[in-house]
Amino acid sequence: SQQGEEDPQALSIQEGENATMNCSYKTSINNLQWYRQNSGRGLVHLILIRSNEREKHSGRLRVTLDTSKKSSSLLITASRAADTASYFCATDSNYQLIWGAGTKLIIKP
Amino acid sequence: DTGVSQDPRHKITKRGQNVTFRCDPISEHNRLYWYRQTLGQGPEFLTYFQNEAQLEKSRLLSDRFSAERPKGSFSTLEIQRTEQGDSAMYLCASSLAFAATNEKLFFGSGTQLSVL
Repeated sequence: SQQGEEDPQALSIQEGENATMNCSYKTSINNLQWYRQNSGRGLVHLILIRSNEREKHSGRLRVTLDTSKKSSSLLITASRAADTASYFCATDSNYQLIWGAGTKLIIKP
Repeated sequence: DTGVSQDPRHKITKRGQNVTFRCDPISEHNRLYWYRQTLGQGPEFLTYFQNEAQLEKSRLLSDRFSAERPKGSFSTLEIQRTEQGDSAMYLCASSLAFAATNEKLFFGSGTQLSVL
């Protein structure tokens, strides 16, 4: 069963704009991770935020975590064509990583 | 290149045949995971190993699926008597972890299985 649910399912923006996607989950977690997947390829780890952290940055990525609302957001600033991919959140809970269905991001030139 | 390699990249088989996939994790990683992914969905957990021990197997996993990781190195995933519903991308991932939590996973490029 899937715990994480990403929102929106799909997002199309112009190059240079910021992209925000959200993830909601159901049970308590140890950490929450974001991954990117290009079409037909494996997933690439982007960032991990622990349950006692509220915000984390990595380059153009900013992740927030609100454990009271059981939600997280991923912000990609100054988007580029190469950011076109599917983005997944995964929650670490009960010794398993549980994945959402992903947000498909398209960056238009 | 994440360092996790999977073979083959693509596999086409007829229903009822057996197939075996191989995964070579990053050499110093102690955990190895198998996932299945269908179009438009996130990865679905199948099983994972801590060194050579298979610690967990999804309850959704049919008895037709079996995985091994001899000597805690590479791993194989075998599907017996394949069915059309087995068509999916099979992903392998590895990580270095010593606590009960799941840390950063490194994924291979996957094996795309098509059952005709």
